[in-house]
Amino acid sequence: AQTVTQSQPEMSVQEAETVTLSCTYDTSESDYYLFWYKQPPSRQMILVIRQEAYKQQNATENRFSVNFQKAAKSFSLKISDSQLGDAAMYFCAYRSGDSGAGSYQLTFGKGTKLSVIP
Amino acid sequence: ETGVTQTPRHLVMGMTNKKSLKCEQHLGHNAMYWYKQSAKKPLELMFVYNFKEQTENNSVPSRFSPECPNSSHLFLHLHTLQPEDSALYLCASSSETGFSSPLHFGNGTRLTVT
Repeated sequence: AQTVTQSQPEMSVQEAETVTLSCTYDTSESDYYLFWYKQPPSRQMILVIRQEAYKQQNATENRFSVNFQKAAKSFSLKISDSQLGDAAMYFCAYRSGDSGAGSYQLTFGKGTKLSVIP
Repeated sequence: ETGVTQTPRHLVMGMTNKKSLKCEQHLGHNAMYWYKQSAKKPLELMFVYNFKEQTENNSVPSRFSPECPNSSHLFLHLHTLQPEDSALYLCASSSETGFSSPLHFGNGTRLTVT
């Protein structure tokens, strides 16, 4: 079974600075998808960024980018120019690319709580 | 405005009560999910429905009973729950095609079992 590990329960960053959230995963598959979700106090999980394992280029979405290291099974999220609205729980998630049973399942990490200091 | 709406937002129920959680999606998706979010634990997948058919049941106790009458609506019927079932219950939907399609979540129902 796949596992996702987020080793930082809490992080803080000064407003306008850059912060990196760590995520590692364990899988024997070669085809899969990785996601970062954000959960603000409103509780709604919002997709931040996603990465296909077959793509070598790191995904970017405005101020958010990832460092995807497939051999190391690492998928970190970098937030640049942090804003107060970035304060939230951030979850890393894994999804198999296998079309067999369980393929719809997202495996989540425990999350990292990010605080942004004004 | 979320494309996935969950009601109620909060629910307090006794262990002998019967209640239902409702989820509705307006995104034209074909797959719907129930997740359980407990403090300090990863989100746990409970059920998956694809085109109204249940495709996954993650060893969920029978006191949780899902129902999917159509691709837009998903219910979670609750009866004789335990205090450890207190958690945030999240509904999500996704397009059936493409495994890279992300999940769209609702705001969740905060359930407290007394």
